[in-house]
Amino acid sequence: QQQVKQSPQSLIVQKGGISIINCAYENTAFDYFPWYQQFPGKGPALLIAIRPDVSEKKEGRFTISFNKSAKQFSLHIMDSQPGDSATYFCAASIRLSSGSARQLTFGSGTQLTVLP
Amino acid sequence: DAGVIQSPRHEVTEMGQEVTLRCKPISGHNSLFWYRQTMMRGLELLIYFNNNVPIDDSGMPEDRFSAKMPNASFSTLKIQPSEPRDSAVYFCASRRGDPNTEAFFGQGTRLTVV
Repeated sequence: QQQVKQSPQSLIVQKGGISIINCAYENTAFDYFPWYQQFPGKGPALLIAIRPDVSEKKEGRFTISFNKSAKQFSLHIMDSQPGDSATYFCAASIRLSSGSARQLTFGSGTQLTVLP
Repeated sequence: DAGVIQSPRHEVTEMGQEVTLRCKPISGHNSLFWYRQTMMRGLELLIYFNNNVPIDDSGMPEDRFSAKMPNASFSTLKIQPSEPRDSAVYFCASRRGDPNTEAFFGQGTRLTVV
């Protein structure tokens, strides 16, 4: 099963608040979990990523929490700012049997709005 | 590096016409992906290439869709004949062959079939 489930579909947060987006997966062969940020009219861009051998990764105001046993991971945006308003996608990557080829499966996306 | 370059940025065409979307991956990247993004379905992987060879095209919705990668620096996604339900933003992405490296996306082509 390649599906990655993401929630919520949309999120509204006040400036300075914490934004939390959750994702869950089924396939335990996934071994790389990136988060992408997409602004209107632009392509998705990598925000932060984690491997399953760590439980948390922090980069500035962005933190990924990873729960391997529950097959869940989440993105936390601390001190959310209006400039963070965008669509966020979680993803999971799996290495295929054919050499170095890897497949990236995306969640359905969360539209975040940070109110000023 | 200019990043992944897609053309055209916008395409409006009539139903039944052939549409060709183009992608130039980042130099040195040996994996290339074509995605389709719609409000209803989000980001869907259509096909991806590794070292110019199609690895998995199971995401291609119909035989009307075809993709080629004649060399390491160019790929096309063709829809023939196009239909209104093909209207979406089509993204091309590329990445290096190393494991756990990110995929870089182009700006996308917004296709409207009327």
